Amino acid sequence: EAGVTQFPSHSVIEKGQTVTLRCDPISGHDNLYWYRRVMGKEIKFLLHFVKESKQDESGMPNNRFLAERTGGTYSTLKVQPAELEDSGVYFCASSQDLMWGLNTEAFFGQGTRLTVV
Amino acid sequence: GNSVTQMEGPVTLSEEAFLTINCTYTATGYPSLFWYVQYPGEGLQLLLKATKADDKGSNKGFEATYRKETTSFHLEKGSVQVSDSAVYFCALKGSGGYQKVTFGTGTKLQVIP
Repeated sequence: EAGVTQFPSHSVIEKGQTVTLRCDPISGHDNLYWYRRVMGKEIKFLLHFVKESKQDESGMPNNRFLAERTGGTYSTLKVQPAELEDSGVYFCASSQDLMWGLNTEAFFGQGTRLTVV
Repeated sequence: GNSVTQMEGPVTLSEEAFLTINCTYTATGYPSLFWYVQYPGEGLQLLLKATKADDKGSNKGFEATYRKETTSFHLEKGSVQVSDSAVYFCALKGSGGYQKVTFGTGTKLQVIP
């Protein structure tokens, strides 16, 4: 069974440019999460999809970030325009069950390392 | 809100040394506690978990005990191997209804032969 896949693995862009990150969850997983780790700090929650709907987007830092999950399959996270402080590793995770951690596990992708110069 | 505090890294140990990575948390109620590991070039993987006080999670020789009195969930291993070199994240999920998972800053472990 394929795991969670993220594209690209690395991206270097200039300040002001646009970048789109993609996450393909495990097939059949309705729950998809985006997290970010900035400069060796804690991994911070960005948002959570249940199928194509946003269950919780309280962690999105500002309106330069736009996440979509059309059709409830893969998800994209667009940063437009990118700023220097957006640099970090963006993780995607998926789980079958909403109650991640109690009865089921969430599976993470390898992350996309974004560098804004 | 919920928070997790981990010891700063990096931690460098010789092979077969004893490992402790400290983790303390702040949360109301009875959160579930986790340790995740990220090996080089890979995603995070669940290493172990504990869902109630005094529970001990264990996997691959690693152990952590849920201590509510000290709000701690320290990770231990009696004899580390080079293959244990990775970044370790302590995390918690609050109790009651919908809760996000909160992660710590991560502790990088390097084991040298």
